Amino acid sequence: AQSVTQLGSHVSVSEGALVLLRCNYSSSVPPYLFWYVQYPNQGLQLLLKYTTGATLVKGINGFEAEFKKSETSFHLTKPSAHMSDAAEYFCAVSWATGNQFYFGTGTSLTVIP
Amino acid sequence: KAGVTQTPRYLIKTRGQQVTLSCSPISGHRSVSWYQQTPGQGLQFLFEYFSETQRNKGNFPGRFSGRQFSNSRSEMNVSTLELGDSALYLCASSLSWPNTEAFFGQGTRLTVV
Repeated sequence: AQSVTQLGSHVSVSEGALVLLRCNYSSSVPPYLFWYVQYPNQGLQLLLKYTTGATLVKGINGFEAEFKKSETSFHLTKPSAHMSDAAEYFCAVSWATGNQFYFGTGTSLTVIP
Repeated sequence: KAGVTQTPRYLIKTRGQQVTLSCSPISGHRSVSWYQQTPGQGLQFLFEYFSETQRNKGNFPGRFSGRQFSNSRSEMNVSTLELGDSALYLCASSLSWPNTEAFFGQGTRLTVV
């Protein structure tokens, strides 16, 4: 069965510190990989995606993620956290065989001033 | 370019009633998917429509149904509402298949009392 695991439902970092949010998937077929951010009472906004090509992808707001096939991981990073980064982050996967997203359970990021 | 529009934003219904939620995708997008978001179950796929045809369906009871019109607008209907149907319902639109990028609406917050 395909699944997405986000380690750590809550992550706290100090303003200016490194942000690292973890995502692993389980599938024998490499999927398309996505990170979405959700602010309170809002929908999901795409941060970045990996479909093919370069495994290090850069997204909006200074975020980036690296697809590591050998580790089945797609961790999200940002060198320096900003207060406005406080939100819920979701890792998601899909496959070329369908249009359905499978989401992780989400990681709530808190930024401490 | 207008984003994905979901109406209404908030809804309160009584157990046993039925409800219809609406989603207008981004112009030109032909794929519309629906997701249910709850604190306990996270984001779960309901169904996906492409060119007025349901192509994929998640594991929800038959009380949950949907349709798509020729202009790609979609509606989802929930009959005989239960307290557990209280959730944020998110609609996502995509330009093509397979899904390499989906744009989400702000959601409809349904509360069943």
